[in-house]
Amino acid sequence: GAVVSQHPSRVICKSGTSVKIECRSLDFQATTMFWYRQFPKQSLMLMATSNEGSKATYEQGVEKDKFLINHASLTLSTLTVTSAHPEDSSFYICSAREKSAGSSGGLGTKNIQYFGAGTRLSVL
Amino acid sequence: QKEVEQNSGPLSVPEGAIASLNCTYSDRGSQSFFWYRQYSGKSPELIMSIYSNGDKEDGRFTAQLNKASQYVSLLIRDSQPSDSATYLCAATYYGNNRLAFGKGNQVVVIP
Repeated sequence: GAVVSQHPSRVICKSGTSVKIECRSLDFQATTMFWYRQFPKQSLMLMATSNEGSKATYEQGVEKDKFLINHASLTLSTLTVTSAHPEDSSFYICSAREKSAGSSGGLGTKNIQYFGAGTRLSVL
Repeated sequence: QKEVEQNSGPLSVPEGAIASLNCTYSDRGSQSFFWYRQYSGKSPELIMSIYSNGDKEDGRFTAQLNKASQYVSLLIRDSQPSDSATYLCAATYYGNNRLAFGKGNQVVVIP
């Protein structure tokens, strides 16, 4: 299966600092990447959809100035948690969907998302 | 709000038995459905995808889709201790561009 690399795997930082998380598709091109957040014993919550070369689409309730997303190439998306606070402590997971010759979201892609290993952020 | 429901609580099954998981979804426009396995502290791992009505088998896993009733199920045959994990059901929405996840079902396989 396709491989998505996510770094770092764990971050401990002081309140007020910014943290950047990288998500790379290693063996395929990803026109769309997704950023999720997961609290303990809860399901994944989509934060934003990142499209290569365009602005990210944020889900309702997610602050775009707080969670900066950059998708500069077909293999790399970054999430920056700006001025992190203890309530931002969570498990952040990225996923990537493989580019297809078909229309975005069409059946040609089968819409499979491959997940990175996740980043556990602890803000002190 | 696009919803995927997984309502049953933790499932304990003896080793070698069949584990059965169910999931319902609210968006009739959903076209792609997935089961992911998530071990504690790890990210989800895709184990099955299904797109049309009926059954799809892959090794010890069988996914079943019924679009008329809007449910998806997963059977795990010959359950092994290594199958102990949380299983997440997911369905696409918003023009099939996004995935909505259920809360997950914890499966514990007892040796």
